[in-house]
Amino acid sequence: GAVVSQHPSRVICKSGTSVKIECRSLDFQATTMFWYRQFPKQSLMLMATSNEGSKATYEQGVEKDKFLINHASLTLSTLTVTSAHPEDSSFYICSARDLRKEYEQYFGPGTRLTVT
Amino acid sequence: GQNIDQPTEMTATEGAIVQINCTYQTSGFNGLFWYQQHAGEAPTFLSYNVLDGLEEKGRFSSFLSRSKGYSYLLLKELQMKDSASYLCAVRDSNYQLIWGAGTKLIIKP
Repeated sequence: GAVVSQHPSRVICKSGTSVKIECRSLDFQATTMFWYRQFPKQSLMLMATSNEGSKATYEQGVEKDKFLINHASLTLSTLTVTSAHPEDSSFYICSARDLRKEYEQYFGPGTRLTVT
Repeated sequence: GQNIDQPTEMTATEGAIVQINCTYQTSGFNGLFWYQQHAGEAPTFLSYNVLDGLEEKGRFSSFLSRSKGYSYLLLKELQMKDSASYLCAVRDSNYQLIWGAGTKLIIKP
């Protein structure tokens, strides 16, 4: 099956620093990638949708200047959390959609971000 | 607004059968998904329904009634490893996934 990787799996950073999370589709071309955030005991919250080569579409309430998304190639999208604060501590999950298999979204393993 | 409802938590016994219900109200419908999520891990795909009826895949089955805005996930021969959260998600007219809050399933020996 299709595989999506994320790196790093866990990261601890100090308040005020920036953190970059990579999401890669390993065996297919992902024309669309999604970034989710999940707080403990809550469901996934879609942060943004990115299409290769174009600007990401952010959900209401998500600061685009704080959560920078780049989808420069068909296999790589990055999420940069800028000037991180403790309230940004969460589980960030990316998923990718392959248009050849129109109904499935493949999820990465997630990145646990802790901001101290 | 868009809404997906599923029970918060359910408990079942190892070897038994459990049914997790999901009701939805969304702007448009382009399929319903069930995902399994173990604590601290990302969701994994279980099933997809776009037409009414039952889809069976091993120990897991998923049912859909579009007229009723209703689906259920049926798990048979429960195993301890089935302890997880089960997420119902509906793809709306914009092809966006709308997520339920998830049902935490606790399996007891």
